[in-house]
Amino acid sequence: DTEVTQTPKHLVMGMTNKKSLKCEQHMGHRAMYWYKQKAKKPPELMFVYSYEKLSINESVPSRFSPECPNSSLLNLHLHALQPEDSALYLCASSQVLGKAGVDTQYFGPGTRLTVL
Amino acid sequence: AQSVTQLGSHVSVSEGALVLLRCNYSSSVPPYLFWYVQYPNQGLQLLLKYTSAATLVKGINGFEAEFKKSETSFHLTKPSAHMSDAAEYFCAVTGDNDMRFGAGTRLTVKP
Repeated sequence: DTEVTQTPKHLVMGMTNKKSLKCEQHMGHRAMYWYKQKAKKPPELMFVYSYEKLSINESVPSRFSPECPNSSLLNLHLHALQPEDSALYLCASSQVLGKAGVDTQYFGPGTRLTVL
Repeated sequence: AQSVTQLGSHVSVSEGALVLLRCNYSSSVPPYLFWYVQYPNQGLQLLLKYTSAATLVKGINGFEAEFKKSETSFHLTKPSAHMSDAAEYFCAVTGDNDMRFGAGTRLTVKP
């Protein structure tokens, strides 16, 4: 099973709302990722968790707050977003290969976020 | 830092024609290289992966890619395009803790 699930599929929120995106995998992967993807662009890395610890934060604004409650779950908490934050948010997971880096990333279907 | 460059943001072929999508990598050490496909409003799906076990890598949906160290290339090919192959294709390389994507190539298939 190489499935990564994400909920919700679509989300519309106002600039004062608080919402959360959820991601789940049951492949035993110990690295999980959040990406932001704008139309006609490649995914941009936001956060990386390795063994449930935040290992990379690509200078993402604090209105995005990641959380990794356990090795299977990854959340992205959203607060006071701006219209330019509207995008497809992708979650991915992979094995960690130690010094060899990370293995194949498996992606979820994404959450289409619209900020009004 | 390792990176990949995709040549051509848009490729258009006729149904049944050869598909060739180009990717060059920048690394002194043979990296892990990937091709992903993305259909509209969907996540990225792994097409194939190079890990140095074999230079010709076969993937899903009839796609394959050849690793050429002398050219630092990892081009994606398919002998005969289908309408269902129309999508965005991303070449990628793994770093220490992340994956670096090329800018993407949009494949259009004409009937």
